[in-house]
Amino acid sequence: SQKIEQNSEALNIQEGKTATLTCNYTNYSPAYLQWYRQDPGRGPVFLLLIRENEKEKRKERLKVTFDTTLKQSLFHITASQPADSATYLCALDLNDYKLSFGAGTTVTVRA
Amino acid sequence: EAQVTQNPRYLITVTGKKLTVTCSQNMNHEYMSWYRQDPGLGLRQIYYSMNVEVTDKGDVPEGYKVSRKEKRNFPLILESPSPNQTSLYFCASKGANYGYTFGSGTRLTVV
Repeated sequence: SQKIEQNSEALNIQEGKTATLTCNYTNYSPAYLQWYRQDPGRGPVFLLLIRENEKEKRKERLKVTFDTTLKQSLFHITASQPADSATYLCALDLNDYKLSFGAGTTVTVRA
Repeated sequence: EAQVTQNPRYLITVTGKKLTVTCSQNMNHEYMSWYRQDPGLGLRQIYYSMNVEVTDKGDVPEGYKVSRKEKRNFPLILESPSPNQTSLYFCASKGANYGYTFGSGTRLTVV
């Protein structure tokens, strides 16, 4: 069965630094991959989608890469701020009707 | 404002007492889905609906029912709730850009 792994449960970084999160998947070849942000007790919020034929995508201070050979996506938060503290979820949309999530990485940005 | 609205936000009930969690979206999305989120297990899909009158099981459908009589509404029904259904529930809809919009969540406690 497919598996989605986010390599760190928690990441603590200093304000202004770049946070890099990793998402690896197995047994699947997705057409695209998504990243979400979730604050405690709240619903996930869609951030970025990257397609298999896109190497990199950016949105403001966020950057996502997608390597279908390595079956890996990297998610970067540049110039991090305390307001970026949250859990970030990697997700694959399987067969267009099921979004499967990784366990998430909780990022804490220290002022 | 484009949104998915769930009600109630919090619910405490007793074992066996039927309940319904409502979900409504104002984006004219065809696809809607329900998830539950539990510590250590992440987000798991319960049911999804591709369109009106079209519903199907997700990964953890046991003990739940859904209906989709109108495009905007997708209620989750627990006919006989049990303590193992204590969880945080999220409704979501998906538009043409493939990003999912999640509701704010319903925290259900079954005693």
